[in-house]
Amino acid sequence: DTGVSQDPRHKITKRGQNVTFRCDPISEHNRLYWYRQTLGQGPEFLTYFQNEAQLEKSRLLSDRFSAERPKGSFSTLEIQRTEQGDSAMYLCASSLTSGMTYNEQFFGPGTRLTVL
Amino acid sequence: QQQVKQSPQSLIVQKGGISIINCAYENTAFDYFPWYQQFPGKGPALLIAIRPDVSEKKEGRFTISFNKSAKQFSLHIMDSQPGDSATYFCAARVVSGGYNKLIFGAGTRLAVHP
Repeated sequence: DTGVSQDPRHKITKRGQNVTFRCDPISEHNRLYWYRQTLGQGPEFLTYFQNEAQLEKSRLLSDRFSAERPKGSFSTLEIQRTEQGDSAMYLCASSLTSGMTYNEQFFGPGTRLTVL
Repeated sequence: QQQVKQSPQSLIVQKGGISIINCAYENTAFDYFPWYQQFPGKGPALLIAIRPDVSEKKEGRFTISFNKSAKQFSLHIMDSQPGDSATYFCAARVVSGGYNKLIFGAGTRLAVHP
């Protein structure tokens, strides 16, 4: 399967614990996005990487959230001291830079986080 | 200004009928309008997309109608099938700082009854 993959698919944690999610983009894609999707809502942009550089962070991304993309390949999203309000689906997407074309973002299956 | 408003929230259509989902926006900087389809437990998948210089785009049973002056666009699913039952999101792209960001509507849950 050459699509975007995410791991784990589901995570249940207790409030206050730290969690880390991984995203493996489509191999030649240099752009990587993280989104959060809560029940009954559309995905909301969290952050964006071009290669290994994190170029934009949403105001939704509090200090407890950190994302990395070492070597411009896979990415990790860590949430420290989780809160119940962090419960959501975390989606990763990747795209290919190609001049001014309308670069389609390909989404992974998401990681569903439940904070008890 | 960054919002995309989507309606209805849910939609029930009989098999063979037409499903219509509407979206509206304010930001004239949006330059690309994709529709995503999402099945339970899956990530969104691009269904069809349109640029603002085109008034209509059709791919199979799926058609986007775009009204630039009204800042509205809609998805029409002709001959709706039970397999079309999913959540549909409209989105709009804005280019900021050299990269593109998608702003999503809240979604429409479509149920097609046999």
